[in-house]
Amino acid sequence: AQSVAQPEDQVNVAEGNPLTVKCTYSVSGNPYLFWYVQYPNRGLQFLLKYITGDNLVKGSYGFEAEFNKSQTSFHLKKPSALVSDSALYFCAVRDRGYQKVTFGTGTKLQVIP
Amino acid sequence: DAGVIQSPRHEVTEMGQEVTLRCKPISGHDYLFWYRQTMMRGLELLIYFNNNVPIDDSGMPEDRFSAKMPNASFSTLKIQPSEPRDSAVYFCASSSHPGQGVYEQYFGPGTRLTVT
Repeated sequence: AQSVAQPEDQVNVAEGNPLTVKCTYSVSGNPYLFWYVQYPNRGLQFLLKYITGDNLVKGSYGFEAEFNKSQTSFHLKKPSALVSDSALYFCAVRDRGYQKVTFGTGTKLQVIP
Repeated sequence: DAGVIQSPRHEVTEMGQEVTLRCKPISGHDYLFWYRQTMMRGLELLIYFNNNVPIDDSGMPEDRFSAKMPNASFSTLKIQPSEPRDSAVYFCASSSHPGQGVYEQYFGPGTRLTVT
């Protein structure tokens, strides 16, 4: 079985400050990990993924995420938040042996001008 | 590529009516997924196909729901009869095999279904 936890329903951050959106996961094997963003009335949009290799992965719009195997975490980060980053963010996990992806419950990011 | 295409974007129907949602995946993708998103339950996987064959339909809520994929470029999700609790946003997503370097799913814009 695989699962994802996003412990924060909402994260508020001031524009220009660094942001972190937390995610922890559980899989029986080695994971593929993903972050998606959803803007209002839109579909989910892929941001970045961890497949293998370097634990720090970089994605679209200046976002990055760090894979931590010992803590089973994959937190999303950005050095300087923009108001336009305000959206709903989903973490997702997939066991390498399967195609089925499990999504977290989502974290609403609010960037305050 | 135009991305994943879904139609209609909005559907309002009365309880008891049949509803058909449509999806065209990205060309060359051999996996297709149907999801439902609600405030209460979040994002739920309903069913997914590989090479037009249903692989896992364990998320389909009940027999009123059915999905087909008659060819590689088209899939439908049908609800018959519809009920108010089916009101949600339904997403279609497609993906390919890691051997082709694609690990992530690409989502369509969704169909917002309202059953009155």
